[in-house]
Order: sequence, then structure tokens, then C-alpha cells
Amino acid sequence: GDSVTQMEGPVTLSEEAFLTINCTYTATGYPSLFWYVQYPGEGLQLLLKATKADDKGSNKGFEATYRKETTSFHLEKGSVQVSDSAVYFCALKGSNDYKLSFGAGTTVTVRA
Amino acid sequence: DGGITQSPKYLFRKEGQNVTLSCEQNLNHDAMYWYRQDPGQGLRLIYYSQIVNDFQKGDIAEGYSVSREKKESFPLTVTSAQKNPTAFYLCAAGADMRDNEQFFGPGTRLTVL
Repeated sequence: GDSVTQMEGPVTLSEEAFLTINCTYTATGYPSLFWYVQYPGEGLQLLLKATKADDKGSNKGFEATYRKETTSFHLEKGSVQVSDSAVYFCALKGSNDYKLSFGAGTTVTVRA
Repeated sequence: DGGITQSPKYLFRKEGQNVTLSCEQNLNHDAMYWYRQDPGQGLRLIYYSQIVNDFQKGDIAEGYSVSREKKESFPLTVTSAQKNPTAFYLCAAGADMRDNEQFFGPGTRLTVL
């Protein structure tokens, strides 16, 4: 079945550092790919998405490119802020599927 | 203010008791979902509903039950048969089952004492 593997955390960075969180997937067909963010004590918010190969999703300075050849959707941000401290989830939805399949989540802490 | 509300935010239950978690949405979305989140794990699907009066089991439905009597409401009951119910529960909604985007509520943290 469909599955997502993402980089284990926790990740601790200093403000203005570069952030990368790796995400690879296994799926048949052409899934849609997502990054969700969860701030402490809250639900998930959609951060960005890409629905076909070579699409780039971007939001709030974060970017991820749908790479079908490497089955990856790595999340990047060039200069993180303390407010980016959260848990980040990579997820996919199969083209004929009803549910999201989530990675385990990566906890990111940004220090001032 | 459109969105999904879940109540209560925190819930404590004694072993052997059933408890119901509320989920309400005003997005007018047909599809609704319940996920369970455990520390260090991704979200796992408990139940989902495509339309009113219809729902299906997800990957971990044992010990849970749901109803979908109204479009805007999808309550989840955690029964005494659920062996390890302490977790964070998240409700979500999407325009329909094929819609790529799901919108999440703020969650309910259930603790069994």
C-alpha cells in the first residue's frame, strides 16, 4: 500500500539557518503530496501541496518539489524563525484513494 | 468564521467508560474523517464518511464507533473495547472523497485514568 517515510527528528536549528526535511514515498499511480504543520497543542494546517510531477508547492517561505524520478518531496526553507518551531508531516493521497497517508512527523525546534 | 470545531479540548475517562468526542464543521463539506495521533507516529485513520448516513472503517476502527446523522456533525465514540485509547484525536473534512485537501480541527486529547 501507499506509504511515506520522512526524516526522523528532532531537528534543532538556530534562527536564520537552512532547513531541509526529507520525505520519500511509495505509491502506485500519481499521488498528490502534502506538507502539513502542527504547532504545539493544535491541529494540522496545510503548509503546501503538489498534485503532479515537477510541481513546486510553496508557502510562508517553505518550498517542496514533487520529484517522481526519486519519489521524493523534500521540504526546504532558506532562513528559519523561532515561529517555525513545530512538527512537520509529509503526506500523500493516492489518485483513487480516500485517505491521507502520513509520515511519522519531524519535530523542528528553532533557537533564537 | 469557517472551520472545524472539536470539543472538548481535553477529556479524561476512567477505564471501562465510553466517551464521545464532538466534531462540527461549517465548511459545507461532504467528507469527514477521524484520525488518531500517538507520540512519534503519523496520523492513522479511524473512520471516514463520504455523505450523511454513510461511514466506513479506516485502518484502526476496532473499539470505536461513529454516526453521521447531519452533514455538519461526525461524532466519535471511544468504547471500553478500545484497549489503548489515550491519544490525540483529530477530525478533518474535505469537499468530497476525491478532494486533495483536508481541513483539520484543533483536536481532542483523551486520557484514560
